[in-house]
Amino acid sequence: DAGITQSPRHKVTETGTPVTLRCHQTENHRYMYWYRQDPGHGLRLIHYSYGVKDTDKGEVSDGYSVSRSKTEDFLLTLESATSSQTSVYFCAITSGGRGTGELFFGEGSRLTVL
Amino acid sequence: GDSVTQMEGPVTLSEEAFLTINCTYTATGYPSLFWYVQYPGEGLQLLLKATKADDKGSNKGFEATYRKETTSFHLEKGSVQVSDSAVYFCALKEYGNKLVFGAGTILRVKS
Repeated sequence: DAGITQSPRHKVTETGTPVTLRCHQTENHRYMYWYRQDPGHGLRLIHYSYGVKDTDKGEVSDGYSVSRSKTEDFLLTLESATSSQTSVYFCAITSGGRGTGELFFGEGSRLTVL
Repeated sequence: GDSVTQMEGPVTLSEEAFLTINCTYTATGYPSLFWYVQYPGEGLQLLLKATKADDKGSNKGFEATYRKETTSFHLEKGSVQVSDSAVYFCALKEYGNKLVFGAGTILRVKS
């Protein structure tokens, strides 16, 4: 199994509070991603990183920010959580390069915003 | 932008039935195509992949063929088991090593 750890695995918070989700990898992979999973939408890309301090937006980036100060850690921050951000968040990694693009996923973080 | 369309579920089958889950895509060029599976309470894991036209990906009895002419990558299995009950996602790889996913299809297999 790919060494990906997400924390926390479950969180309940209130509207307007800040939330940070952490993704930690032990594979030294270059690319890291944050997706959210919602019924009827599959997985949608929030932000991704292609190296330390190199990040870019995905299709649903509004209300989220990310940081990657070390190869192994990719943080997703909700500055002021809203109920629409209630979701399951998945981190994924891949080595990139000329590979086939297989992503390895963490087990997910379930966030509930009341 | 690129997109993936999957048949809506849930799909409910009896054990040993034949499975088809349809997947079509819209993309510039010829992307790599994937099927991922998600078992309850878990993250996604790669089921099979195909990187060019006419390639057939296969794993655990599942198969899918990359059809450029119909822009499709349908998932098939000849005889499903209860343990195949899961959510199946079709995906394509676009520029920048990003995957675009379909909405997912829930499969329920009854004994």
